[in-house]
Amino acid sequence: GAVVSQHPSWVICKSGTSVKIECRSLDFQATTMFWYRQFPKQSLMLMATSNEGSKATYEQGVEKDKFLINHASLTLSTLTVTSAHPEDSSFYICSAGRASEQFFGPGTRLTVL
Amino acid sequence: EDKVVQSPLSLVVHEGDTVTLNCSYEVTNFRSLLWYKQEKKAPTFLFMLTSSGIEKKSGRLSSILDKKELFSILNITATQTGDSAVYLCAVERGAQKLVFGQGTRLTINP
Repeated sequence: GAVVSQHPSWVICKSGTSVKIECRSLDFQATTMFWYRQFPKQSLMLMATSNEGSKATYEQGVEKDKFLINHASLTLSTLTVTSAHPEDSSFYICSAGRASEQFFGPGTRLTVL
Repeated sequence: EDKVVQSPLSLVVHEGDTVTLNCSYEVTNFRSLLWYKQEKKAPTFLFMLTSSGIEKKSGRLSSILDKKELFSILNITATQTGDSAVYLCAVERGAQKLVFGQGTRLTINP
């Protein structure tokens, strides 16, 4: 059990467009999900905590108007990168919390041209 | 500012060797320290450590935490090529928020 999926697994978009990434917990309910960003050869950086039924909490330096997070149900959180720019190109990984553990999704590679 | 530092950043050894990966941290509101293995995509969980001095083992992997000196080590004995990966250390600082180190890229040559 404890499987987390992400969709899409990779996406290429033009600068200025918006991209939505989905994170789903497939076999458990997660009141809290987390969004991370990982640049090449760097570690994961927590962007925000997504809480079901309430607003996300963002880490310092992360623009909430640029990275819109919606946690509409206990199994789904979405991250929308609005008006994407090439510097937003990165690997975005979500995780879902269950008890004291976090289970990571496979990640979404975003390339903005 | 919360900080997790791993060393070495990169390590290349031969199959059969034993390796030790290091993780030091300065984090407020420490809850636990976790080790993950990341190959191509998502990190996969290895260990969670909360108490000092208690070694956790899983096959050829083991890990221990020193909360006084604020560090942890991950040992891998009799390494195999399948152990090649990036090993991530993370510290939970409350509310399940994880602060990750830069990772150690381990390469096992046959």
